[in-house]
Amino acid sequence: NAGVTQTPKFQVLKTGQSMTLQCAQDMNHEYMSWYRQDPGMGLRLIHYSVGAGITDQGEVPNGYNVSRSTTEDFPLRLLSAAPSQTSVYFCASSNGQGWTEAFFGQGTRLTVV
Amino acid sequence: SQKIEQNSEALNIQEGKTATLTCNYTNYSPAYLQWYRQDPGRGPVFLLLIRENEKEKRKERLKVTFDTTLKQSLFHITASQPADSATYLCALDDNNAGNMLTFGGGTRLMVKP
Repeated sequence: NAGVTQTPKFQVLKTGQSMTLQCAQDMNHEYMSWYRQDPGMGLRLIHYSVGAGITDQGEVPNGYNVSRSTTEDFPLRLLSAAPSQTSVYFCASSNGQGWTEAFFGQGTRLTVV
Repeated sequence: SQKIEQNSEALNIQEGKTATLTCNYTNYSPAYLQWYRQDPGRGPVFLLLIRENEKEKRKERLKVTFDTTLKQSLFHITASQPADSATYLCALDDNNAGNMLTFGGGTRLMVKP
């Protein structure tokens, strides 16, 4: 099993550009989330989903959109990139009663110039 | 507001000693608490989960305690090894529905030979 796969691993964007960070899991997990990790700030929740067709906002949702059309995929869209969105982004999934064990992808390092 | 606090300063210990990391939280009534390990450039990896009705949980050289009165969890690594050097994160479900997983800022552990 591949687990949680994120693409791309690295990305440089210009301010104002849009892009989609991809996340796919092959474990048939219902729960998926996106986090961003900045130095000294730990992991902050952007958006999460408890199943196909259901998404909700986390702690820092502004500037990001998500959709969950299938169980496997949970893409994160940056609508108009800003330097403040420079960060490492992690996707996670879980199968159980709530987030009883999260599986993380390897991360996407995004730089906005 | 809800908050999870971990010591942001690195913990330096000698090989063979017991490392003890602390996770304190406020304004939560979590059903469970989790600990993760994160190595540089990689996503967090799940280590242990302890439920609110459990005082202590063990896995090999790892031990976690959970005091819901003090709102604190302690994470111990006995007979520590240089390979245990990493950042350790605690995480709580952000609501009793278990839909959101919120992380502390992490504590970096350095085990010196």
